[in-house]
Amino acid sequence: QKEVEQNSGPLSVPEGAIASLNCTYSDRGSQSFFWYRQYSGKSPELIMSIYSNGDKEDGRFTAQLNKASQYVSLLIRDSQPSDSATYLCAVKGGSQGNLIFGKGTKLSVKP
Amino acid sequence: DTEVTQTPKHLVMGMTNKKSLKCEQHMGHRAMYWYKQKAKKPPELMFVYSYEKLSINESVPSRFSPECPNSSLLNLHLHALQPEDSALYLCASSQSSGYTEAFFGQGTRLTVV
Repeated sequence: QKEVEQNSGPLSVPEGAIASLNCTYSDRGSQSFFWYRQYSGKSPELIMSIYSNGDKEDGRFTAQLNKASQYVSLLIRDSQPSDSATYLCAVKGGSQGNLIFGKGTKLSVKP
Repeated sequence: DTEVTQTPKHLVMGMTNKKSLKCEQHMGHRAMYWYKQKAKKPPELMFVYSYEKLSINESVPSRFSPECPNSSLLNLHLHALQPEDSALYLCASSQSSGYTEAFFGQGTRLTVV
């Protein structure tokens, strides 16, 4: 069974710091990886996708992928209180495009 | 525009009621999904439609009945639900099943009483 693992947190960082969120996955053949942000009571919002080994940067967000280690991470630079949310790591589960989610990491950014 | 619209936002229904959840997207996406999310849990896949055909049914009880009338619309018909079915129901779409950037609607918060 394909699994995605995340530390559930909570992860607490001070405002302006770098938040580092980590995720591992079990299916070595996985090709597509995503980070979603979910505020309490709201729906998931796609913030990053990554398909190749290495880093991908978008504004304050950097996704990192290491397929050999089956590891994907999300770095948030200059963290803001508005970044406080649950971050869901997701991996493509099969040919039909469905996503397998980790349990999510709750991030708290303290002013 | 990455908008997926779900209606209603909130729904309270009795165990003998029949109701429907609706989802609409106008991005030309050909894959649409229903997920169920319980509190403090990740979304769980229920159904996948690809080119208006049901391609995945994750062993969902028959009291949940999906329908895809056309490429822009996805419905979830609900009948004889149980209180444990109370959850956030999320619709998502992607350009195709092979192109997996999926965008979620705002969800329907369902309470079964």
